[in-house]
Amino acid sequence: DAKTTQPNSMESNEEEPVHLPCNHSTISGTDYIHWYRQLPSQGPEYVIHGLTSNVNNRMASLAIAEDRKSSTLILHRATLRDAAVYYCILRKGNEKLTFGTGTRLTIIP
Amino acid sequence: DAGVIQSPRHEVTEMGQEVTLRCKPISGHDYLFWYRQTMMRGLELLIYFNNNVPIDDSGMPEDRFSAKMPNASFSTLKIQPSEPRDSAVYFCASSLDGLVANYGYTFGSGTRLTVV
Repeated sequence: DAKTTQPNSMESNEEEPVHLPCNHSTISGTDYIHWYRQLPSQGPEYVIHGLTSNVNNRMASLAIAEDRKSSTLILHRATLRDAAVYYCILRKGNEKLTFGTGTRLTIIP
Repeated sequence: DAGVIQSPRHEVTEMGQEVTLRCKPISGHDYLFWYRQTMMRGLELLIYFNNNVPIDDSGMPEDRFSAKMPNASFSTLKIQPSEPRDSAVYFCASSLDGLVANYGYTFGSGTRLTVV
């Protein structure tokens, strides 16, 4: 299975943008890049996903490198409620969702 | 939609007792997944169902664990007998099509199980 590498933890100031990196150098052409987050005492929550092009939704933006070997989840204006563990996951067809250790994001007031 | 509903939210039981965790998936979702989360092992997939049929239970740790899905709106995960090492948070998730990479999963809030 293609794997991802994320920093264990990151800190960001409230009301500033946050860029969460993910490396996936062994990504294949059929791998989708998914991001989930897990707020304290909650189940994981879908954030965004993409294949080749950058994606935007109401929660975040996903920037995918041209060679697809890395991607960045962008929270445009972090709030305290964005403090969570963020998981970057590669999925291709017929694969279940498998979680790594993710990045623990701390928001500083 | 109320999302994926799990009960109970917390469960404390004594070693050797039977424990049953419950899950109601989102209506119309054909796939249901049971995950377990511990500090040591993170989030692990235990078993998943498609159209109420168990497809892959390779993640179930041992025979003490069993899962059923009697209908499209209800699933249970049972541990009998329970042991302290079963203490974890158990999550249920559902998906329109759990094996299509373009679809996401919706998770419940989990059941925190403590076996003393």
